[in-house]
Amino acid sequence: VLTQSPATLSVSPGERATLSCRASQSVSSHLAWYQQKPGQAPRLLIYGASTRATGIPARFSGGGSGTEFTLTISSLQSADFAVYYCQQYDNWPPWTFGQGTKVEIK
Amino acid sequence: EVQLVESGGGLVQPGGSLRLSCAASGFTFSIYAMSWVRQAPGKGLEWVSAIRGSGDSTYYADSVKGRFTISRDNSKNTLYLQMNGLRAEDTAVYYCAKPLVVVTAYFDCWGQGTLVTVSS
Repeated sequence: VLTQSPATLSVSPGERATLSCRASQSVSSHLAWYQQKPGQAPRLLIYGASTRATGIPARFSGGGSGTEFTLTISSLQSADFAVYYCQQYDNWPPWTFGQGTKVEIK
Repeated sequence: EVQLVESGGGLVQPGGSLRLSCAASGFTFSIYAMSWVRQAPGKGLEWVSAIRGSGDSTYYADSVKGRFTISRDNSKNTLYLQMNGLRAEDTAVYYCAKPLVVVTAYFDCWGQGTLVTVSS
């Protein structure tokens, strides 16, 4: 089970946002992060806990291993307000997602 | 350009059946394991099923095991999801998803999704 916190994060543009994902058992570094905007499919941001996917800006960074992970957005831009999901791909099947963190404008 | 295009969604009564398709292009479809992921209205993402590139191994979430069948036709670059015994809780947008690397399960390409509504 993946537990994301907080459920909603209110942040002002230009500020830093830190999202958390906790696994109920170790997933090593087999964790990915996705961004999803309304009406769109998810977009892969991070895999291997800390590797940015192609085309993802450097303001997105991932960290952690084992059971504790973070996604940090260093300076929020308007395009970053969205819902973020973590996903583990270590203990499969099933591949599981967290319940999501909504990043909203403060 | 890698592209996934789902089709086949619609309104179906409880207990009914539906078959979803996902047409793939822009990559060597036959070597990638493919997955279906769904999202109920206003809810999070739920992995549903996966199939290896050769089609010889399939995997299912407990919530759909015994009711859904995943398959693929590599000659047509198409992924399928046969859904039987549909329930109201199966109502969702269904996405097909391609992993970034052949043997991994994080998804770098998603279709636009197809909506399945189970209601009387």
